[in-house]
Amino acid sequence: DAGITQSPRYKITETGRQVTLMCHQTWSHSYMFWYRQDLGHGLRLIYYSAAADITDKGEVPDGYVVSRSKTENFPLTLESATRSQTSVYFCASSRTENTEAFFGQGTRLTVV
Amino acid sequence: GQNIDQPTEMTATEGAIVQINCTYQTSGFNGLFWYQQHAGEAPTFLSYNVLDGLEEKGRFSSFLSRSKGYSYLLLKELQMKDSASYLCAALDSNYQLIWGAGTKLIIKP
Repeated sequence: DAGITQSPRYKITETGRQVTLMCHQTWSHSYMFWYRQDLGHGLRLIYYSAAADITDKGEVPDGYVVSRSKTENFPLTLESATRSQTSVYFCASSRTENTEAFFGQGTRLTVV
Repeated sequence: GQNIDQPTEMTATEGAIVQINCTYQTSGFNGLFWYQQHAGEAPTFLSYNVLDGLEEKGRFSSFLSRSKGYSYLLLKELQMKDSASYLCAALDSNYQLIWGAGTKLIIKP
């Protein structure tokens, strides 16, 4: 299907475990982003990528790792999950840096 | 520092008009976005302004004043389905999006 998809939609994990959130887009957009959204905060940028093999830190990168070996995929890994990483995670893509972003459905992650 | 301010919550009546304000302070400026987000869903794009003035798109309009660091989203003929959060985001000089916390709009019949 065309669009941007995230998996899983829901995930419960234990403190200290590694977990990977997947993001796939079919538009060949250059830019991809990972955000977290918590009550009382706006969307906060974790990492972004301007093209395959190019990634850069956002506002809150600590504890997260990304890679982008292919244009269409942008996985986000929590190396050792902490309770403070309980959040809703959104992946997004855009054609250029100043065009509209399209968001995935989100992943609700709970760390217990 | 960089900052976006918008009201936390607003209430309006079905069929009426509502204006949601957003003020921004960023290092440089490359445009302002408005997104709509229904509860439990992903944000969806509404508008992008980079020049001063009003942009109209059906029932929704967005206004920008660069000199004042100010934007608003105007929603006309409100419908119950317009109940959602409205997110304001400014693009800084590095083309990083700075997001507001969102305005929750409650529509009453």
